[in-house]
Amino acid sequence: DVKVTQSSRYLVKRTGEKVFLECVQDMDHENMFWYRQDPGLGLRLIYFSYDVKMKEKGDIPEGYSVSREKKERFSLILESASTNQTSMYLCASSYPSGDTMGGYTFGSGTRLTVV
Amino acid sequence: AQKVTQAQTEISVVEKEDVTLDCVYETRDTTYYLFWYKQPPSGELVFLIRRNSFDEQNEISGRYSWNFQKSTSSFNFTITASQVVDSAVYFCALSDFSGNQFYFGTGTSLTVIP
Repeated sequence: DVKVTQSSRYLVKRTGEKVFLECVQDMDHENMFWYRQDPGLGLRLIYFSYDVKMKEKGDIPEGYSVSREKKERFSLILESASTNQTSMYLCASSYPSGDTMGGYTFGSGTRLTVV
Repeated sequence: AQKVTQAQTEISVVEKEDVTLDCVYETRDTTYYLFWYKQPPSGELVFLIRRNSFDEQNEISGRYSWNFQKSTSSFNFTITASQVVDSAVYFCALSDFSGNQFYFGTGTSLTVIP
């Protein structure tokens, strides 16, 4: 089975902390994505990556950065966590263009609370 | 601009009723993909179906069926004889033909009451 694993299911962090959310996929997918999900707003794209060491801003990159040092791992970094970053964070991966039969494969999500 | 609209925020039905979830999309592309995903309470989005813009045939998979109409830019999802296990948030999504980026609707929360 294709697996996208997010390291934490629930996290509670303090305002100002640096937060790392880890995502690992085992399907050799080139593409990886980070979304946040908020009620009434659906899924909003934060960052994505089409290759190792490559990253592109999504729709709401402010306050976030990412790292992709290895193909299977895509990390989301909150440089200085704020309460408005309290959200569900979803990681996804996919094959590159031309092979989107199944669309994305999603992780189970990390519910982050910033206090 | 790409956009997906799911006007129904929440729907409640009694078990065994049929329910249709609406999805309307906007795109300037002539070729594109449409998707439906299910998000149960566990949180993980599960792929349900993909359609490409060339294929307007309706599709049926068990109790699930999808109606794709290019003329109205709609891709609606019907659950027949709903069950409690169908309770979830359902997302409609659109991608260009490269499939490198998806655009999601805001989701419809379906509750099936026993």
